[in-house]
Amino acid sequence: NAGVTQTPKFRVLKTGQSMTLLCAQDMNHEYMYWYRQDPGMGLRLIHYSVGEGTTAKGEVPDGYNVSRLKKQNFLLGLESAAPSQTSVYFCASSYGGTRGAFFGQGTRLTVV
Amino acid sequence: AQKVTQAQTEISVVEKEDVTLDCVYETRDTTYYLFWYKQPPSGELVFLIRRNSFDEQNEISGRYSWNFQKSTSSFNFTITASQVVDSAVYFCALSEVNGNTGFQKLVFGTGTRLLVSP
Repeated sequence: NAGVTQTPKFRVLKTGQSMTLLCAQDMNHEYMYWYRQDPGMGLRLIHYSVGEGTTAKGEVPDGYNVSRLKKQNFLLGLESAAPSQTSVYFCASSYGGTRGAFFGQGTRLTVV
Repeated sequence: AQKVTQAQTEISVVEKEDVTLDCVYETRDTTYYLFWYKQPPSGELVFLIRRNSFDEQNEISGRYSWNFQKSTSSFNFTITASQVVDSAVYFCALSEVNGNTGFQKLVFGTGTRLLVSP
């Protein structure tokens, strides 16, 4: 059972570089989420999607873009990485906003 | 405004002690859902429980129990006879509706780190 898979698991970027984080789920979930986790800040919602082609902003969307072209995939893009985006990123999916979410293993991103 | 407050940043107990993790939430929705997740040192997030706003019955699962009180907007989590394996960060979360889009989103508290020593 794959569940929610995040790619890559680790990445180091230089300031100004761009990258895309991929999240894939095989549970046919409608909802998908991207969070970042920072010490003392808990999990903060970046963007989320309620279905293919539909996305919405979370608490900390600035500096990130997302796309949900296929139901099973949710991409998180950083166009011009900044050191403030150093964090652990988690993707999650759920049947709906009222159901428990299943999380990926996380991506540790360092921007130098 | 913070929607989910976990005032306890870190708690240290000795094995076999009981411990309660506090969660206070804020929402304007009449229908909402509350969750607890566990993040062990390995880093993954594990779903523990979901509770809807219409069900105020306490729930018990083994050594874990949850106390939901709408009157105080709290959803507290108690571990009875704690064990070293309970050492983790515990997150409380709230599912709320975005007033503009109607979409439901899951927001988390800042977490409580529980350290259980032998």
